[in-house]
Amino acid sequence: DQQVKQNSPSLSVQEGRISILNCDYTNSMFDYFLWYKKYPAEGPTFLISISSIKDKNEDGRFTVFLNKSAKHLSLHIVPSQPGDSAVYFCAADGGTSYGKLTFGQGTILTVHP
Amino acid sequence: NAGVTQTPKFQVLKTGQSMTLQCAQDMNHNSMYWYRQDPGMGLRLIYYSASEGTTDKGEVPNGYNVSRLNKREFSLRLESAAPSQTSVYFCASSERPESTEAFFGQGTRLTVV
Repeated sequence: DQQVKQNSPSLSVQEGRISILNCDYTNSMFDYFLWYKKYPAEGPTFLISISSIKDKNEDGRFTVFLNKSAKHLSLHIVPSQPGDSAVYFCAADGGTSYGKLTFGQGTILTVHP
Repeated sequence: NAGVTQTPKFQVLKTGQSMTLQCAQDMNHNSMYWYRQDPGMGLRLIYYSASEGTTDKGEVPNGYNVSRLNKREFSLRLESAAPSQTSVYFCASSERPESTEAFFGQGTRLTVV
């Protein structure tokens, strides 16, 4: 029972273009969503987050959009850079006090020069 | 500023052997977590500790035990390793409830043969 799904295992984008990574969830109790970036042989690092009371959050080149009715969120990277090439994980928090994140399977982003 | 430190980084075990994965954080966080990452599965929560002296099961706890030794340290023990426990293990910490963001260690790559 995968409560958080990233249906695209990989995405390939040209440098300077927009990268759009998608994530769907099934549990309506999730109230906070995060994106993590992971390079090989390193731990995930926090990228950006959004509360369920918002529909958009922006941080520099990164923007996360949340559509609660569709239980869907997306991460936009504009413009994409070769250094953005990594695995991106979507994660959801169920609102407990202990931060038990539920992760998607991850999407491998490759940005070509 | 080390953040979250895991030891060892790599380990090969024979089936039936035991070992303990160590984790320490220097951010004075209350909550600590152990996740495992498997191909196509994302990160799955094994155990977590909301505060010193407390631990609780996550999504995939079978075959593991944990100890929250003090506020800094949270160890994961495999009593009798099985090939199904071959995975990359990540320790994380967060300052719940003030912040949802979790900080991850670099991971331990464990192979059970």
